[in-house]
Amino acid sequence: DIQMTQSPSSVSASVGDRVTITCRASHNVTKWLAWYQQKPGKAPQLLIYSVSSLQTGVPSRFSGSGSGTDFTLTISSLQPEDFATYYCQQANTFPITFGQGTRLEIK
Amino acid sequence: QVQLQESGPGLVKPSQTLSLTCTVSGGSVGSGSFYWSWIRQPAGKGLEWIGRVYTSGSTHYNPSLKSRVTISMDTSNNQVSLTLTSVTAADTAVYYCARENIQLWFPFDYWGQGTLVTVSS
Repeated sequence: DIQMTQSPSSVSASVGDRVTITCRASHNVTKWLAWYQQKPGKAPQLLIYSVSSLQTGVPSRFSGSGSGTDFTLTISSLQPEDFATYYCQQANTFPITFGQGTRLEIK
Repeated sequence: QVQLQESGPGLVKPSQTLSLTCTVSGGSVGSGSFYWSWIRQPAGKGLEWIGRVYTSGSTHYNPSLKSRVTISMDTSNNQVSLTLTSVTAADTAVYYCARENIQLWFPFDYWGQGTLVTVSS
């Protein structure tokens, strides 16, 4: 299985801050990398697909970058509604796997 | 607007079979543009992909569950089903169905709201 390792596991930040979350894959996943946001009691929601493509309706303060095994999700200016848990996911190789999650908390 | 709705028993006894159904509205499960997956999440933990089905009937399963899982599609009722046999407490989780979009490099672009299944006697 491809292991997806996110860092940090949790981060505290303030409204208006810029935040970067990192996802490292144990093997090359090429462009088959997506990011999700999950709020308590809700299903995950797609933010970014194919490494850097913004899903329809997602605010432009979210962006993704990277290649191969190293990827980042950046939130340029945190808004109150962005405090949630974020997951990366690879679809390059079966089984499909997710990172362990990064919890973004209010400072 | 595509909507996915999971349904099934919320309580299953150990060693028995878990059966869930995902009913899709606003789109066809028979469309060749999508796979239909099941994903689960134990309380307070991360996401685990269980497996998926395509309109052709082809399936892919997580090897960690493969011996116990069956995912199927009912195009006449626009539903996708999950069967997990010989359940234990470790199978207690929120179970989600999700659409995997082939045209977007296979992310899960629509999810159901999830259904909690507890395995307990």
